[in-house]
Amino acid sequence: EPEVTQTPSHQVTQMGQEVILRCVPISNHLYFYWYRQILGQKVEFLVSFYNNEISEKSEIFDDQFSVERPDGSNFTLKIRSTKLEDSAMYFCASSPGTSVYNEQFFGPGTRLTVL
Amino acid sequence: DAKTTQPTSMDCAEGRAANLPCNHSTISGNEYVYWYRQIHSQGPQYIIHGLKNNETNEMASLIITEDRKSSTLILPHATLRDTAVYYCTLTGSNDYKLSFGAGTTVTVRA
Repeated sequence: EPEVTQTPSHQVTQMGQEVILRCVPISNHLYFYWYRQILGQKVEFLVSFYNNEISEKSEIFDDQFSVERPDGSNFTLKIRSTKLEDSAMYFCASSPGTSVYNEQFFGPGTRLTVL
Repeated sequence: DAKTTQPTSMDCAEGRAANLPCNHSTISGNEYVYWYRQIHSQGPQYIIHGLKNNETNEMASLIITEDRKSSTLILPHATLRDTAVYYCTLTGSNDYKLSFGAGTTVTVRA
């Protein structure tokens, strides 16, 4: 069964450093998402991406964040200058996009620790 | 903000049905009810969704009241692997993102 994959599973970085989190969505899916979950808190939407552009973003997704689909398979989230409060699990998701009511398929997540 | 309310937690005996309630009194006409679950910090997993009719799949059943202001997710024969946080959320025709609340922590006990 196809699945969303994410790398790395755990990333440790120093405050102020740039990090890139990588995701490989399910092949032929058209909509891509990033969510995050701070330890002990709820899952929060960051951004959705369709047709090579951002379709929606939350207040969390400020200028420090960017997303890119550099080729036909990868979908990346970049945090330009990490802060301590960026420490969280980051989940990538994709959906077929044939209907807005399609379910989203989530990856296993990348745990980001900012020291 | 999530537009649904769920109990914080519930226990269920292994092999018995688990009935998870969700209130969504402000649901609008084009919004679907979605259920996801999250097992121990893994990525959320889709379970089922519906608009107004009851739905069933291999994982669960979804019962939506006639006024659509509440719904119940039914896990027919809970197993220990069903221990997870269960999220009820709404998605409309102009809203692709999922908004998760705190969910219901379901513990299945042997």
